[in-house]
Amino acid sequence: QVQLQESGPGLVKPSQTLSLTCAVSGGSITSGRYYWSWIRQPPGKGLEWIGYIFSTGSTNYSPSLKSRLAISLDSSKNQVSLRLGSVTAADTAVYYCARVDTTIGRYLDYWGHGTLVTVSS
Amino acid sequence: FMLTQPHSVSESPGKTVTISCTRSSGSIASTYVQWYQQRPGSSPTTVIYDDNQRPSGVPDRFSGSIDSSSNSASLTISGLKTEDEADYYCQSYDSTNHGVFGGGTKLSVL
Repeated sequence: QVQLQESGPGLVKPSQTLSLTCAVSGGSITSGRYYWSWIRQPPGKGLEWIGYIFSTGSTNYSPSLKSRLAISLDSSKNQVSLRLGSVTAADTAVYYCARVDTTIGRYLDYWGHGTLVTVSS
Repeated sequence: FMLTQPHSVSESPGKTVTISCTRSSGSIASTYVQWYQQRPGSSPTTVIYDDNQRPSGVPDRFSGSIDSSSNSASLTISGLKTEDEADYYCQSYDSTNHGVFGGGTKLSVL
């Protein structure tokens, strides 16, 4: 049973760095068949794709976030991490991690429950 | 490019509804389209991938298609049930493999 669980501070001050982790169980993040995505959803709004990371560590980021964003893997903990710098109120959102299994398609087949991050002083 | 969806649609139980997703530039057929269902308070789940494929466990009441003439993708739900009431998002990738989501469509079944 694959499970993804996001965690991190629920409140971040403006201009600081938002750091989240996604703990993965039921599968290895280093398997070459998967890549790991982050998606966010501002309260009451739609989904926004943030970026993803392959098991090799190669990344692909949203152009609008690229300058502030870093996604990484921690194979020792089987976790995926997201860091977003210089945050503003516009970064307030539920942040989801999700998996793509490249052997069955490029869709997000498992999602975490999401974690709400509020940017406020 | 952008993916444009109607803000909301509504239909009665037992009926059929179609949600459109129009690509603003480039061919809709150039990269696959996925559809995600998000019930209130829940994470999204996939109902259609690769334009018209259903993941295991998704009922065949859900179907997907693309139409090159209108440069759009469509999600059709037949035999509507109240449990289908949710937000639906289309999603695709651009030429540099960046993900793109549509704005979402709120489906009301009443």
